[in-house]
Amino acid sequence: DQQVKQNSPSLSVQEGRISILNCDYTNSMFDYFLWYKKYPAEGPTFLISISSIKDKNEDGRFTVFLNKSAKHLSLHIVPSQPGDSAVYFCAASAHRDDKIIFGKGTRLHILP
Amino acid sequence: DAGVIQSPRHEVTEMGQEVTLRCKPISGHNSLFWYRQTMMRGLELLIYFNNNVPIDDSGMPEDRFSAKMPNASFSTLKIQPSEPRDSAVYFCASSSRQGARETQYFGPGTRLLVL
Repeated sequence: DQQVKQNSPSLSVQEGRISILNCDYTNSMFDYFLWYKKYPAEGPTFLISISSIKDKNEDGRFTVFLNKSAKHLSLHIVPSQPGDSAVYFCAASAHRDDKIIFGKGTRLHILP
Repeated sequence: DAGVIQSPRHEVTEMGQEVTLRCKPISGHNSLFWYRQTMMRGLELLIYFNNNVPIDDSGMPEDRFSAKMPNASFSTLKIQPSEPRDSAVYFCASSSRQGARETQYFGPGTRLLVL
């Protein structure tokens, strides 16, 4: 049973527009959420995170929104750039747990 | 810093053969994680170590899989005997402290194909 779900396997967005990647989770014990980005033939790299005490965290073009009541988070990329084309993994962990649970990933294509 | 180093980058083997994947974590990091990525299951944690000690191996699929960390700079993941369903990309990651809040740095992965 997937505790972290990314229901869109892929997403195409025009360069310069906003990219919105969605993630749902089922475990109410999760209190820390992360996004990782992965290019082909490379390992995932950390992008941005958010604690459950917040509902928004921003870092440059990247913003993560957390809706605890809906058990939903999203990653917004504005404006989208060609270098943003990659697979994005949503991940979560529970308090005092060392493990990160990853979703299956969403492949983002930025169109010229 | 060279980052997390994994070898080999690619491995093709036949069913029943032993496979050994290797990982060198970032110097000074004391937590090490082994993950497997497949299309069906995404990125799964197999096992992780803290200060060379296995902490949680609940993600290891079965007894055919084993992992060791003999010292702070080296870890192996062994599959014996290998099966076609083990085909996947295997990632090693390290972090500076135990805990999911610590940023994990991933290696480039080993792409394993079992025929």
